[in-house]
Amino acid sequence: QKEVEQNSGPLSVPEGAIASLNCTYSDRVSQSFFWYRQYSGKSPELIMSIYSNGDKEDGRFTAQLNKASQYVSLLIRDSQPSDSATYLCAVNMWSSGNQFYFGTGTSLTVIP
Amino acid sequence: SAVISQKPSRDICQRGTSLTIQCQVDSQVTMMFWYRQQPGQSLTLIATANQGSEATYESGFVIDKFPISRPNLTFSTLTVSNMSPEDSSIYLCSVVRRDSYEQYFGPGTRLTVT
Repeated sequence: QKEVEQNSGPLSVPEGAIASLNCTYSDRVSQSFFWYRQYSGKSPELIMSIYSNGDKEDGRFTAQLNKASQYVSLLIRDSQPSDSATYLCAVNMWSSGNQFYFGTGTSLTVIP
Repeated sequence: SAVISQKPSRDICQRGTSLTIQCQVDSQVTMMFWYRQQPGQSLTLIATANQGSEATYESGFVIDKFPISRPNLTFSTLTVSNMSPEDSSIYLCSVVRRDSYEQYFGPGTRLTVT
């Protein structure tokens, strides 16, 4: 089992809709969780970090963490064509010597 | 966040040669990493750059092929040695700031080996 798993997509949503991106992880003692956005030809950009159970909102983005279910998600409200990118989930696992593990990414397309 | 620069941004190299990529960050950081990303693929961690000591390499990557230096808290280099076309990829430097667990990426170096 991979440390971090994401649906590869592609995920397509119409403009203005809510895009929901999901990620599961294998290590129960993971402490830090991150979402990155990567446009084609660019490097990953950190858009959200979350450390405790519950929701964290930043503008149109909401990260949700459920440690009991080992699940973290990213919701993008009022999706815009400029949100079209690959979204990477990352987990910092202290049990592995403070290693960061990345999912393979979910490709999101927002259709105008 | 952290401001990270990488040099060169891209290069085209001949088989059998070596290229050194530089990574500079604007503030002191705890951890520095080197990744490789093939087009359309996810990130592959090459190694953790350790200040003043040998880098920690991931399975499948060796020091002779990818020597890494980190002489201080803000600078690191990755050398891709004896290159082959299979080394064509984007190489990314990343850092973790002292005051957070957040990891930030440099702009990347696009390497093409002919």
